[in-house]
Formats: sequence, C-alpha cells, structure tokens
Amino acid sequence: NAGVTQTPKFQVLKTGQSMTLQCAQDMNHNSMYWYRQDPGMGLRLIYYSASEGTTDKGEVPNGYNVSRLNKREFSLRLESAAPSQTSVYFCASSVDLKSYGYTFGSGTRLTVV
Amino acid sequence: AQSVAQPEDQVNVAEGNPLTVKCTYSVSGNPYLFWYVQYPNRGLQFLLKYITGDNLVKGSYGFEAEFNKSQTSFHLKKPSALVSDSALYFCAVRDTGGFKTIFGAGTRLFVKA
Repeated sequence: NAGVTQTPKFQVLKTGQSMTLQCAQDMNHNSMYWYRQDPGMGLRLIYYSASEGTTDKGEVPNGYNVSRLNKREFSLRLESAAPSQTSVYFCASSVDLKSYGYTFGSGTRLTVV
Repeated sequence: AQSVAQPEDQVNVAEGNPLTVKCTYSVSGNPYLFWYVQYPNRGLQFLLKYITGDNLVKGSYGFEAEFNKSQTSFHLKKPSALVSDSALYFCAVRDTGGFKTIFGAGTRLFVKA
C-alpha cells in the first residue's frame, strides 16, 4: 500500500547547491502536485501537473522547476538553493484536477544553510 | 480570491471532552471544503469533505464537520477526544468552479490524558 512515495526524507544543502526531490505514485492518478509547508503559513502550491506531459505554476514557483517524467513520477528541482527554500516539501496526487481529495506523501524536510 | 482561516494556532482539550477546531473560508462561488490531519513526520491524511447536501458531514476516526453557509464556517468536531487525536489539522477550500485547493495555516490539537 505505497500510495505516494517521496525521496529523500531529509536533506541538507549549502546555498547555491542543486538537488532534485523525487515523487512517485502507484494509484494511477492523473494529477500530481508539489507543496511546501512553512510554520504559520499552511501549504502553498509550488507546481502542479494536470496530466502526463503538462505542468503549471502554482502560488510560489520561483526558484523551482518540475518534470512530469511519466504518469507515475513528478520531480521537483532546486537549481540554486537558497535559505528561503528551507521547508518541508510534500508531493500529492489525485485522480484528476477536479477530484475531491488528495493523497500526500510523507514529505521531504529540506534545510539550506 | 479564495482564502481559508484557522483562527487558533493551538487547541487544548482534556481526553473525553468534546473538541472543536475552527475554520472559516472565503470563495467567490460555492465551496468544496476539506479537513486533513497530519501526524508527526507524516504527510497529510484526508479526514472528510463537504461537497453538497447535508450540512453535517462525517469522516474518519469519529470526526465530523458542520458547514454553515451564512457564517462561512466549516468547524471540525468530535464528541469525545482521544490522546491519539493530538496532531496538526488543516482546513482547505476549493471553489466549485476551479481546481486549486487552498490550505489554512493549520491548528495544533493537544489532547491531555
């Protein structure tokens, strides 16, 4: 019962380094999302993918890029990490954009020093 | 624009007592409303949703929520709290005409034995 799997679970980066957060779902969902969670601010949408082959910006896309590699996988890339990107990142998926609920991964805790 | 407010950062309740976690929202049309729960080091888990119909909706783990259109509220309730209910609770809203889900900042529930 994997659901949504995120790797890594924890990461420390130095300012300016790059990295890719991986996300995969095994529920045959069409839509996938990347959120960041910051204290007192809830979850904010970074990017989303309505279906395989499409991606769109969310509320806070600056400093990030995404790739919808196939139907299962949706990766988030930080090209040049900044301390402001210290956060917990969640990947989520849903049957489609109009679905009533999301399935979330367990998160990646990223610290940029 | 859509928004959701959770006015309490933390709610404290004794085990066995009823609990309420408050949520108010703002959307341009009719809302879809959701509650999610997050346990430590885990992703968000879907609890319940309001789409249409009965204003009182029942969800997982004995939780329920009451939709009040005139007060634009969707408070989460449980008749008898358990210590294991201690977690971070997120309210979320989506306009029925759209697809972007907006999350509140979260309310930490602490149930004392």
